[in-house]
Amino acid sequence: KAGVTQTPRYLIKTRGQQVTLSCSPISGHRSVSWYQQTPGQGLQFLFEYFSETQRNKGNFPGRFSGRQFSNSRSEMNVSTLELGDSALYLCASSLDLLVFGSYEQYFGPGTRLTVT
Amino acid sequence: KNEVEQSPQNLTAQEGEFITINCSYSVGISALHWLQQHPGGGIVSLFMLSSGKKKHGRLIATINIQEKHSSLHITASHPRDSAVYICAVKETGNQFYFGTGTSLTVIP
Repeated sequence: KAGVTQTPRYLIKTRGQQVTLSCSPISGHRSVSWYQQTPGQGLQFLFEYFSETQRNKGNFPGRFSGRQFSNSRSEMNVSTLELGDSALYLCASSLDLLVFGSYEQYFGPGTRLTVT
Repeated sequence: KNEVEQSPQNLTAQEGEFITINCSYSVGISALHWLQQHPGGGIVSLFMLSSGKKKHGRLIATINIQEKHSSLHITASHPRDSAVYICAVKETGNQFYFGTGTSLTVIP
């Protein structure tokens, strides 16, 4: 089974621009979560999508948004980029074993975004 | 306020040593995850725990729900275990919180 894929792997943008990152989950996984990792803040939860609906959201400004398509692929968008948005953006997919209240996540390789 | 605290932040061990990394959390959780991140960024989920103990090869993870504490043990450590180990909790309100990670270096 193919793993979680993210595109692009590296991206350089200028302040004020917007960016769209893509995540393709493992086949059969319906939940996709997005995370930001920076040296200063570590890993932080951005949002989670399940069946095209945003189920949870972390504490990030409205410039960060996402969506999920019917095939479970997900995109996240950051508008009006700031220097502080430079980070590794990771997505993870999972089966949604709600009956157990938790689920194992499989991470993609990440997209490294640099804002100049 | 950090919902998840890890210790130690950095750890250097000789090959073959027994290693313990600790994680304490302050929120109610539905699951705790131990993650491994190698240089270059890729993250691998090692364990997901909601109670008790799990073992996979030389890795053992335990959790004490009452004490809000988990430990990750590595027996017979090897240089390839060198990585950052991150504790993450899924809160009952469905938020994810992460520890700042423990950077482990195993010297041959």
